[in-house]
Amino acid sequence: DQQVKQNSPSLSVQEGRISILNCDYTNSMFDYFLWYKKYPAEGPTFLISISSIKDKNEDGRFTVFLNKSAKHLSLHIVPSQPGDSAVYFCAASAHGTASKLTFGTGTRLQVTL
Amino acid sequence: DTEVTQTPKHLVMGMTNKKSLKCEQHMGHRAMYWYKQKAKKPPELMFVYSYEKLSINESVPSRFSPECPNSSLLNLHLHALQPEDSALYLCASSQEGSYEKLFFGSGTQLSVL
Repeated sequence: DQQVKQNSPSLSVQEGRISILNCDYTNSMFDYFLWYKKYPAEGPTFLISISSIKDKNEDGRFTVFLNKSAKHLSLHIVPSQPGDSAVYFCAASAHGTASKLTFGTGTRLQVTL
Repeated sequence: DTEVTQTPKHLVMGMTNKKSLKCEQHMGHRAMYWYKQKAKKPPELMFVYSYEKLSINESVPSRFSPECPNSSLLNLHLHALQPEDSALYLCASSQEGSYEKLFFGSGTQLSVL
């Protein structure tokens, strides 16, 4: 039972354009959402997060949007850069289970020149 | 120092072998984690240590035995593994209460023959 889903296994975007990565979840108890980025041969690194009390969080080129009614979140990267090419994991946790993150299957982003 | 160091990077072992994975961090984090990641799958939580005590065991088979000798070190002892245990084993750490900002190591790629 995959509670966090990233339905696009891969995405290709031109440099300078917007990258939009999507994530859906099924567990209504999830109240904290995170995005991690993973380069080959490295562990995932934390990118940005959002609490369920917000619908948007921005950090530089990265913005995460949360639509609670649709149980959907998205990560926008503007403008996309070649160094953004990586696998992006969406993750979620439920209040009271702070140590337990549930990860999505990941989306491989390729930013082309 | 914002690194989580894992050794070895690669490990091949037979089903009768005993081996150990090691993880070290010097960020003063008091929560440490073991995750398992199979190819094209999300990371799955195995164990969580909080203040050097095991706080979460995700029903992991006893052939995996975690150990936290001190606040900087985390080991995973392996014995009588099965081929299906072949995976990338990721160690992570975080400030207690800041579970979202997990710092991951680059992992140990384990192959069980």
